[in-house]
Amino acid sequence: EAGVAQSPRYKIIEKRQSVAFWCNPISGHATLYWYQQILGQGPKLLIQFQNNGVVDDSQLPKDRFSAERLKGVDSTLKIQPAKLEDSAVYLCASRPIQLTYGYTFGSGTRLTVV
Amino acid sequence: GQQVMQIPQYQHVQEGEDFTTYCNSSTTLSNIQWYKQRPGGHPVFLIQLVKSGEVKKQKRLTFQFGEAKKNSSLHITATQTTDVGTYFCAGRNTNAGKSTFGDGTTLTVKP
Repeated sequence: EAGVAQSPRYKIIEKRQSVAFWCNPISGHATLYWYQQILGQGPKLLIQFQNNGVVDDSQLPKDRFSAERLKGVDSTLKIQPAKLEDSAVYLCASRPIQLTYGYTFGSGTRLTVV
Repeated sequence: GQQVMQIPQYQHVQEGEDFTTYCNSSTTLSNIQWYKQRPGGHPVFLIQLVKSGEVKKQKRLTFQFGEAKKNSSLHITATQTTDVGTYFCAGRNTNAGKSTFGDGTTLTVKP
């Protein structure tokens, strides 16, 4: 089966610019997650979708971050405006609705804000 | 909020030595998952533990879930250079319904 697809792999932007990341989960996976992983740390959940509804966005900085999952398939995460501290790898993960399965992560987008 | 701590942060071993990483949660967990992230890669799911006191093995890897469901460990017997990477635990809170990742233990293996 195809894995979780993410693009772009790398992005360098200046602070105050905007950026968008795209994720296509594994077919049939109802649950989709966006994680932020800062160098040397574990992944931190930004937002969780189940189908096209938001389940948890309590740690999403909503003044600058937004995410959507139209039609319950692929998803986009946007940052506007970016700050230096947003430099991180943004990982998308998906999972079947059953909690017995682990997350399948995409390769991530490495964002550098200069 | 829920906190998940892992120790040690780094472990350097000689090839053939054993390795253990520990994961401790501030709250009781409904399950715990373990992931491996190779340098430059993304986390890859290894296993999930659900039952109190559960022990699972995958070849040279042994995973344990504590009796109180607040801690877990991953033990690797006779490490190989292919074991290099960062091992993360992710604990699912019984009430919150989401998993929190620890900051991982980075293993380096000297041939």
